[in-house]
Amino acid sequence: DQQVKQNSPSLSVQEGRISILNCDYTNSMFDYFLWYKKYPAEGPTFLISISSIKDKNEDGRFTVFLNKSAKHLSLHIVPSQPGDSAVYFCALHSQGGSEKLVFGKGTKLTVNP
Amino acid sequence: DGGITQSPKYLFRKEGQNVTLSCEQNLNHDAMYWYRQDPGQGLRLIYYSQIVNDFQKGDIAEGYSVSREKKESFPLTVTSAQKNPTAFYLCASSIFGAGNQPQHFGDGTRLSIL
Repeated sequence: DQQVKQNSPSLSVQEGRISILNCDYTNSMFDYFLWYKKYPAEGPTFLISISSIKDKNEDGRFTVFLNKSAKHLSLHIVPSQPGDSAVYFCALHSQGGSEKLVFGKGTKLTVNP
Repeated sequence: DGGITQSPKYLFRKEGQNVTLSCEQNLNHDAMYWYRQDPGQGLRLIYYSQIVNDFQKGDIAEGYSVSREKKESFPLTVTSAQKNPTAFYLCASSIFGAGNQPQHFGDGTRLSIL
């Protein structure tokens, strides 16, 4: 039973356009939402996060949106650059003591020059 | 520079053999984690430790063991009981008690069966 779903395994966009990566979840106990970026044969690196008390957080070209009623999280990258090509994982933190994260399966983003 | 070091980068295991993956961090983080990644899959939690001399099973702990004798180190042993060990293994750490702090990852160890 997947608590966190990234329904698009891959996404291809043109350089300069917007990339939108989506993540859906089922558990209302998640209180913190993170996005990680991963290149092949490397560990994931933290990109941006948002608390459940907010609906938007922006950091340069990256914006994360949270729709709690729909249990939906999205990452917008604009403008997209070829160096953004990587696998993007959403990771959700649950309330209540443990510092575990639940990861989605990832979306492979390809930004074409 | 502070960070997480995993070694070796590549590891090969013979049938029936136990192998140990190393993970060291100098970030002074309390919590450490081991994940497994298979092709097309997300990261699945094997074990985690929130404090020295204590650790908990994650979602797929069977066939694995860990120890946490020092704050900086969290080695993972893949035992012969793990029948499908071929995967990419990632170690991570985070500040304990800070759910809004991200986990920092090493560059992983790729384990294969000979």
